[in-house]
Amino acid sequence: GAGVSQSPSNKVTEKGKDVELRCDPISGHTALYWYRQSLGQGLEFLIYFQGNSAPDKSGLPSDRFSAERTGGSVSTLTIQRTQQEDSAVYLCASSLAGRTNYGYTFGSGTRLTVV
Amino acid sequence: GQQLNQSPQSMFIQEGEDVSMNCTSSSIFNTWLWYKQDPGEGPVLLIALYKAGELTSNGRLTAQFGITRKDSFLNISASIPSDVGIYFCAGRGAAGNKLTFGGGTRVLVKP
Repeated sequence: GAGVSQSPSNKVTEKGKDVELRCDPISGHTALYWYRQSLGQGLEFLIYFQGNSAPDKSGLPSDRFSAERTGGSVSTLTIQRTQQEDSAVYLCASSLAGRTNYGYTFGSGTRLTVV
Repeated sequence: GQQLNQSPQSMFIQEGEDVSMNCTSSSIFNTWLWYKQDPGEGPVLLIALYKAGELTSNGRLTAQFGITRKDSFLNISASIPSDVGIYFCAGRGAAGNKLTFGGGTRVLVKP
């Protein structure tokens, strides 16, 4: 696609429920990143996929968080047993392999609210 | 791990003013990037810097890669209302492809 597409744009869920957030990167971009942005805060790295390599999961805050990337394209971030502190904007970005010197292209994010 | 300290956290601008913000790092970066985020949108790349000492402009924006490779600044000249938003610095270290982001500078219009 022309840009990074994320869905849903907004999600309200009850505490304890599981949620799935989807990211569709730019076609041909082999690197995909998930970041979390809490209200008024900076961007917190969550996970990074590069081609067929094992993902860098070093930023995932707990084992309730997981992500997968199928077929080297679409990625899904799953949060199990959501907690109120999970409320944030979840941003996905993609880049050409090894071309992060040129920055990432971000999607518009999914705003998650846990009530 | 690598950390970026961005300041100021927020600032008020008046149309026509020049404003400046900066980032400092606890370690060396090989690339510095500046992004702007408008409400409800993801950050958009403004300027990328690749060499120590590099000074790069993009319209009314000017950014520099510090010679120590541990800092960068962004200047906005002759600010206009649409400059409001959140500006983030980001850096890439020697290892890996991840970018580390600063905490952001929120630019607001003076009432």
